[in-house]
Amino acid sequence: DQQVKQNSPSLSVQEGRISILNCDYTNSMFDYFLWYKKYPAEGPTFLISISSIKDKNEDGRFTVFLNKSAKHLSLHIVPSQPGDSAVYFCAASPLRDMRFGAGTRLTVKP
Amino acid sequence: DAGVTQSPTHLIKTRGQQVTLRCSPKSGHDTVSWYQQALGQGPQFIFQYYEEEERQRGNFPDRFSGHQFPNYSSELNVNALLLGDSALYLCASSFRGPDEKLFFGSGTQLSVL
Repeated sequence: DQQVKQNSPSLSVQEGRISILNCDYTNSMFDYFLWYKKYPAEGPTFLISISSIKDKNEDGRFTVFLNKSAKHLSLHIVPSQPGDSAVYFCAASPLRDMRFGAGTRLTVKP
Repeated sequence: DAGVTQSPTHLIKTRGQQVTLRCSPKSGHDTVSWYQQALGQGPQFIFQYYEEEERQRGNFPDRFSGHQFPNYSSELNVNALLLGDSALYLCASSFRGPDEKLFFGSGTQLSVL
């Protein structure tokens, strides 16, 4: 059951521009959302999270937006850098059974 | 501060064999979760161990079992391997709390021939 969906398998942006990665979920019981970044041959690395009581959370160049009514969240990266090129996973929790999307491969071109 | 460590990094087995994967959690973490990541997919939750007990289980058959030791390290065992078990197996550790964040190891790449 695909409770967390990332419908764009890949995204390519120019260095310095904004990257927007999207994620949809179906389970209204999810109350905590996270984004992970994964480089080849490494495990996913935590990037940023947001609780369902908020609609926005910022950390430097990374901002996550949550639209609970639409069951949609997005990750904005501004400005994008070549080092941001990786696979980004959206994850949703209740805690003990974190569900991941299939990932979006972001390529930032110099 | 060592992060999550997994061993081995790569493993090749044949159908029907059994395999054991190992994980040491990040220092200070007490909970270990195991995930299976097939090619082109996101990590799929297998189970979670806390206080040496399986606390939650995903939609995986009983061929998948695990164990957590008093030092919080963990093992994942898979019996009667199938070709479809070929995947990257990720261990993640966390400290149980309201804002539980998973810290992942680099994974064990299992190939079943």
